[in-house]
Amino acid sequence: DIQMTQSPSTLSASVGERVTITCRASESISRWLAWYQQKPGKAPKLLIYKASTLESGVPSRFSGSGSGTDFTLTISSLQPDDFATYYCQQYDSFPRTFGGGTKVEIK
Amino acid sequence: QVQLVESGGGLVKPGGSLRLSCAASGFIFSDYYMTWIRQAPGKGLQWLSYISSSGSTILYADSVKGRFTISRDNAKNSLFLQMNSLRAEDTAVYYCARGLNGYYNYWGQGTFVTVSS
Repeated sequence: DIQMTQSPSTLSASVGERVTITCRASESISRWLAWYQQKPGKAPKLLIYKASTLESGVPSRFSGSGSGTDFTLTISSLQPDDFATYYCQQYDSFPRTFGGGTKVEIK
Repeated sequence: QVQLVESGGGLVKPGGSLRLSCAASGFIFSDYYMTWIRQAPGKGLQWLSYISSSGSTILYADSVKGRFTISRDNAKNSLFLQMNSLRAEDTAVYYCARGLNGYYNYWGQGTFVTVSS
């Protein structure tokens, strides 16, 4: 199984800050990576797929980059609505696997 | 609009069984593969099972293989997860999700399963 490792596990930031979350795969997954946002008590919401393609309706302050084993999710200017937990997911092979999550907290 | 609504969760004793359902609407159900994903309390997301659009291809995570069975009824726009031999570690919110090229662009609201004596 492909292991997905996210860092940091928790991140404290202020509104307006630039935030970067890292996801590393245990083997190359090309660009077959998605990012999700999850708020407490809610289902995850797709933000980005194929490493850098923004899902329709997702604000442009979110961006993704990377290929192979190393990927990043960047929020260019953190907004109050962005405080949530973020997960990466590989879809290069089965079983699909998720990172452990990064909780973005208010500083 | 696309809607996925799970049901069937609840409290069950270890070793017991439960059948989850996911009612789909707002899209042509038979055109899409479907997936079950779960999240234990305070934990991350775990992919459980995949079923192709026709139901001819089925995959499971090792942790549930032999205990859980995924199925679908395209005539009734419904997805199912039969869960047998339940364990305490199966306690989680269970989501059905619609897949697209490997990622999941629509999720249900989840149904909570508690396995406890």
